[in-house]
Amino acid sequence: AQSVAQPEDQVNVAEGNPLTVKCTYSVSGNPYLFWYVQYPNRGLQFLLKYITGDNLVKGSYGFEAEFNKSQTSFHLKKPSALVSDSALYFCAVRDGRGSQGNLIFGKGTKLSVKP
Amino acid sequence: GAVVSQHPSRVICKSGTSVKIECRSLDFQATTMFWYRQFPKQSLMLMATSNEGSKATYEQGVEKDKFLINHASLTLSTLTVTSAHPEDSSFYICSARGSSPNTEAFFGQGTRLTVV
Repeated sequence: AQSVAQPEDQVNVAEGNPLTVKCTYSVSGNPYLFWYVQYPNRGLQFLLKYITGDNLVKGSYGFEAEFNKSQTSFHLKKPSALVSDSALYFCAVRDGRGSQGNLIFGKGTKLSVKP
Repeated sequence: GAVVSQHPSRVICKSGTSVKIECRSLDFQATTMFWYRQFPKQSLMLMATSNEGSKATYEQGVEKDKFLINHASLTLSTLTVTSAHPEDSSFYICSARGSSPNTEAFFGQGTRLTVV
């Protein structure tokens, strides 16, 4: 069965410092991996995705993520955090065999960036 | 990115009444739409998947007669919560995808439903 794990409920970072939000996944086929961000009382905004190709994926707002097949991880990173990055971040996976399949979401990680 | 518009953003209704939530893809054809429910401080739980012109596929535990989903066109899907009860109060989010297998899903802004 497909699953996504976000081991941290909350990540606290000082503004200007690098941030990492962790995600590990489990799928039976090739994974399609996604990161979304959610601001309070809003829907999800797409940040980036990994389908195939380069393991380092660059996305919106300066975020990037590294696909690591051996560790089945897809951690979200940013070199220098902003206070405005504070939000709820969701990692998601879609089984590559089912291209029309729905996304399976992690439980979310709340990122708090302090000035 | 593509735009998905969800309406209304907030609704308050009385117990026993029905509420309809609309989800529209504004600049692409959404062959597949998904409806999610999100409880406070929790992840999104998939309720159902709908393909244009077909009956929705509901996840286990989701009452299809209570949560009516219609996907009559490539740009519009609706979720109707029938005979709403206070326990149906939640944040409902739709998402839409095109036909390309590698495309990401785009999400609506969400609807905060409060049943009083």
